[in-house]
Amino acid sequence: AQSVTQLGSHVSVSEGALVLLRCNYSSSVPPYLFWYVQYPNQGLQLLLKYTTGATLVKGINGFEAEFKKSETSFHLTKPSAHMSDAAEYFCAVSDQGGGNKLTFGTGTQLKVEL
Amino acid sequence: DAGVIQSPRHEVTEMGQEVTLRCKPISGHDYLFWYRQTMMRGLELLIYFNNNVPIDDSGMPEDRFSAKMPNASFSTLKIQPSEPRDSAVYFCASSPETGWNTGELFFGEGSRLTVL
Repeated sequence: AQSVTQLGSHVSVSEGALVLLRCNYSSSVPPYLFWYVQYPNQGLQLLLKYTTGATLVKGINGFEAEFKKSETSFHLTKPSAHMSDAAEYFCAVSDQGGGNKLTFGTGTQLKVEL
Repeated sequence: DAGVIQSPRHEVTEMGQEVTLRCKPISGHDYLFWYRQTMMRGLELLIYFNNNVPIDDSGMPEDRFSAKMPNASFSTLKIQPSEPRDSAVYFCASSPETGWNTGELFFGEGSRLTVL
């Protein structure tokens, strides 16, 4: 069964600083990987995804993530944090062919300080 | 365009009572998912439907939980009897047939359940 591990349940950065949220996956087959964002009192929305092809994927709001098979990682980055980025971020995995049956990580709460 | 609509947004009930959560997926979406979110366990997939048919209910915690989708525009998640450990935020999500394998689920705003 596939799973994802998000290192750090809380991350705090200064506005303008680099954002790095870590995600490692475990899957017996080549995975599809996703990052979702959840703003307070809202549902989750897809930020970006890796299925096949280019390992560096770009998403909304300036976020990007790189699939590194050798490290079984899919870390989320943004060069410069903005106050509006404060939210909870979830990494998720599905098996190829597993459709949209996603397994989510436990989430990382991002705080952006002035 | 309307997104996924869930009701109620908040529910407070007493142990032993029946709870019914409702979901209206995005029109035209063929897949519907029920997730539960807790601090301890994070987001867990409870069940999902394709064309109103339950495909995988392996995440349903126990017989107290049941879900139905009588038509393409409505689904319910019922807990009977409810217990304090059922307190959580329950999310409904939908995705279109063409979106299968894209990972793009469209989530509702959730129903926050508190069982006293």
